[in-house]
Amino acid sequence: DAMVIQNPRYQVTQFGKPVTLSCSQTLNHNVMYWYQQKSSQAPKLLFHYYDKDFNNEADTPDNFQSRRPNTSFCFLDIRSPGLGDAAMYLCATSSDATNEKLFFGSGTQLSVL
Amino acid sequence: GENVEQHPSTLSVQEGDSAVIKCTYSDSASNYFPWYKQELGKRPQLIIDIRSNVGEKKDQRIAVTLNKTAKHFSLHITETQPEDSAVYFCAASPNDYKLSFGAGTTVTVRA
Repeated sequence: DAMVIQNPRYQVTQFGKPVTLSCSQTLNHNVMYWYQQKSSQAPKLLFHYYDKDFNNEADTPDNFQSRRPNTSFCFLDIRSPGLGDAAMYLCATSSDATNEKLFFGSGTQLSVL
Repeated sequence: GENVEQHPSTLSVQEGDSAVIKCTYSDSASNYFPWYKQELGKRPQLIIDIRSNVGEKKDQRIAVTLNKTAKHFSLHITETQPEDSAVYFCAASPNDYKLSFGAGTTVTVRA
């Protein structure tokens, strides 16, 4: 019953080598979020899309970009990954702008070598 | 912005005992407080939530209490079972796009 699907589950990249993480949803939710979660820390919101409107958090590094080509898909692009970008990246969706009933994907664990 | 602190970071309880996790928040405008459970290797899932117009909410063995004056809220799990072992996250939302999470509590239920 996977409703928010993230691929791949584990991603290994090299220092400085661009990497893209993907998220798809079958819920037809209009809001999609990307969270970064480092070990033993709270998930941190990077940005979100309300439909096609992109909303970046003030402290999200420029190294992180996102694309949402349609309702179902959202991508996280890390242009030049550093060692500090190694983390779990969680995609989530919700049906409106109030963050209620967030549905999370299983996450992509990113390693940077 | 909203800052959510969660305690304890780890909690070990005997099966059948109760577990309590506490969170404090900083933004008095926050009015929505969900709790998420994340089992090892699985996605975070909403287990219970409460709005600021309610002081307590219960769902079977799980309950959440909210003290708006003190800006803290707590998760109570009674009659704990091994399947309750997981990481629990509290969160607070000031009714905008931001859901601020606590750092999580790793709960271990000993058989």
